[in-house]
Amino acid sequence: DGGITQSPKYLFRKEGQNVTLSCEQNLNHDAMYWYRQDPGQGLRLIYYSQIVNDFQKGDIAEGYSVSREKKESFPLTVTSAQKNPTAFYLCASSTSVHGYTFGSGTRLTVV
Amino acid sequence: AQTVTQSQPEMSVQEAETVTLSCTYDTSESDYYLFWYKQPPSRQMILVIRQEAYKQQNATENRFSVNFQKAAKSFSLKISDSQLGDAAMYFCAYWLEYGNKLVFGAGTILRVKS
Repeated sequence: DGGITQSPKYLFRKEGQNVTLSCEQNLNHDAMYWYRQDPGQGLRLIYYSQIVNDFQKGDIAEGYSVSREKKESFPLTVTSAQKNPTAFYLCASSTSVHGYTFGSGTRLTVV
Repeated sequence: AQTVTQSQPEMSVQEAETVTLSCTYDTSESDYYLFWYKQPPSRQMILVIRQEAYKQQNATENRFSVNFQKAAKSFSLKISDSQLGDAAMYFCAYWLEYGNKLVFGAGTILRVKS
């Protein structure tokens, strides 16, 4: 079945560490997105990519980085510059106006 | 800039009753797409319903239907015969052609009482 796979489901980060969240899709979608969700809150866009080797900053890109070397993959790195990274991270992909297909999310906790 | 407003942070409904969740949006475009997503406690985002602005007919998916008022820029979601499994956070969203991305509202938490 086609879909989006996010891994890991839970991730723990020590202060000062970089961590990378994985997002893979086999839907042949061109566009991919990363969102952050804090408890009881809405979705905030971190980065998005419309095509391979191209990506744009969203509303809260500081402290994060991404790459898009393959159509299927859009990993998100949470760097040590992100001062409050504890949150739920959602990856999505899209084929234009039909909306998003979402992954199941990664919960990141700073320990 | 396009914005999406959900004015009800929380709503409650009795099982088997009907509830309506409100959503308004701001846009200068004439053709656009609107969505409702559901996020249950599992946090998996699920597409509930989609509406194309050029269609006057309101979209319907089983117990879920929308009241799309284009002139008023309103897009409410009606859930009929509410079930315990409908309890979730519901997000209204607008498809932004510039940037090819969704703009989300802040969400409404729906509680279903048995």
